Amino acid sequence: DVQMTQSPSNLAASPGESVSINCKASKSISKYLAWYQQKPGKANKLLIYSGSTLQSGTPSRFSGSGSGTDFTLTIRNLEPEDFGLYYCQQHNEYPPTFGSGTKLEIK
Amino acid sequence: EVQLQQSGAELVKPGASVKLSCKTSGYTFSNYYMSWLKQMPGQNIEWIGNIYGGNGGTGYNQKFKGKATLTVDKSSSTAYMDLSSLTSEDSAVYFCARMGYYYDGTYYYGDYFDYWGQGVMVTVSS
Repeated sequence: DVQMTQSPSNLAASPGESVSINCKASKSISKYLAWYQQKPGKANKLLIYSGSTLQSGTPSRFSGSGSGTDFTLTIRNLEPEDFGLYYCQQHNEYPPTFGSGTKLEIK
Repeated sequence: EVQLQQSGAELVKPGASVKLSCKTSGYTFSNYYMSWLKQMPGQNIEWIGNIYGGNGGTGYNQKFKGKATLTVDKSSSTAYMDLSSLTSEDSAVYFCARMGYYYDGTYYYGDYFDYWGQGVMVTVSS
């Protein structure tokens, strides 16, 4: 199985700032990486797939980049609703596998 | 609006089985795969398996073969997951999630999860 290593595990930032979350695959996954947001009491939300394609409804302050083994999720101009848990997931091969998550907290 | 509504929390005894449901609306059920995923408290998300709404064809993560059985009821657009021989290691939140895909004119690409149920907590305890 493809191992996904996500960093950092925790991140604190203030509204209006920009942050980046990294995801590294144990082997090349081409461009096939997705990013999700998880918040208590809400359904998980797909933000980005295929590395950089924004899912319908994802605000433009979110962007994804990378290919091969190294990927980054960047959130610019943080809004209060952006705080929560973020996961990456490779969708290049079966079984789909997830990173361990990044908790984005308000500073 | 696509919606996936999961059944309520379960408290089950060790050795027992439980059947979870995921009722869908807002899209053509038979055109998509549905996946089930597991998340233990504070842990990673794991993919259990998927099932095609059109014909019930299934695929499983090797880790969960023999533990999970996926079925669908097309008439009610509902997906089900049976978990058997439950132990404390099965205590977790279980999600259903629709598998999204797109077509570039030549190939289909997908295997990401574009809509999720709210999750259901299964607690295995005597």
